[in-house]
Amino acid sequence: GDSVTQMEGPVTLSEEAFLTINCTYTATGYPSLFWYVQYPGEGLQLLLKATKADDKGSNKGFEATYRKETTSFHLEKGSVQVSDSAVYFCALSDRAAGNKLTFGGGTRVLVKP
Amino acid sequence: DTAVSQTPKYLVTQMGNDKSIKCEQNLGHDTMYWYKQDSKKFLKIMFSYNNKELIINETVPNRFSPKSPDKAHLNLHINSLELGDSAVYFCASSRGVGQGEGYTFGSGTRLTVV
Repeated sequence: GDSVTQMEGPVTLSEEAFLTINCTYTATGYPSLFWYVQYPGEGLQLLLKATKADDKGSNKGFEATYRKETTSFHLEKGSVQVSDSAVYFCALSDRAAGNKLTFGGGTRVLVKP
Repeated sequence: DTAVSQTPKYLVTQMGNDKSIKCEQNLGHDTMYWYKQDSKKFLKIMFSYNNKELIINETVPNRFSPKSPDKAHLNLHINSLELGDSAVYFCASSRGVGQGEGYTFGSGTRLTVV
């Protein structure tokens, strides 16, 4: 079945540091890929997405590129802020699995001033 | 505001009770979902409805019963609550079942069974 693996946290960074969160996936079909963010006490918000190979999703300074050859969708941000502290989830949606959204385990990011 | 709204936000109840969580979306979306988030933040789909029709029913105890009176509402009823049901339950919706569609999530219902 489909699965998503992302690096375990917590990831602790200083403000203005570079952030990378690794994400790899396994899917029977040709999935769409997503990053969601969950701020403390809130629901999940869609951060960015990519629907085909080599697509780059971007939003709020975050970027991720759909790499079919390495089955990866790593999230990056060049200069993090304290307000980026949250849990980040990588996810895929696969038509062969009824288009349900399958999530990775989440990575907690803590940015210190 | 356009959103996915869930009620209640917090629910504390005793083992063996029956409780319901309500979800409504005013986004005009056709598909709605229930997800469970455990204490380690792991998210797992429970159910999905498209235009009031059940399309995804994961391996969930039959004490959990979803009900969709119309495509804007998807409620979750839980019978005979157990300690292991304690979790955060998220409702979500999407425009369709196309795989490129992202979901819009509600803010969650934290269920604590004591």
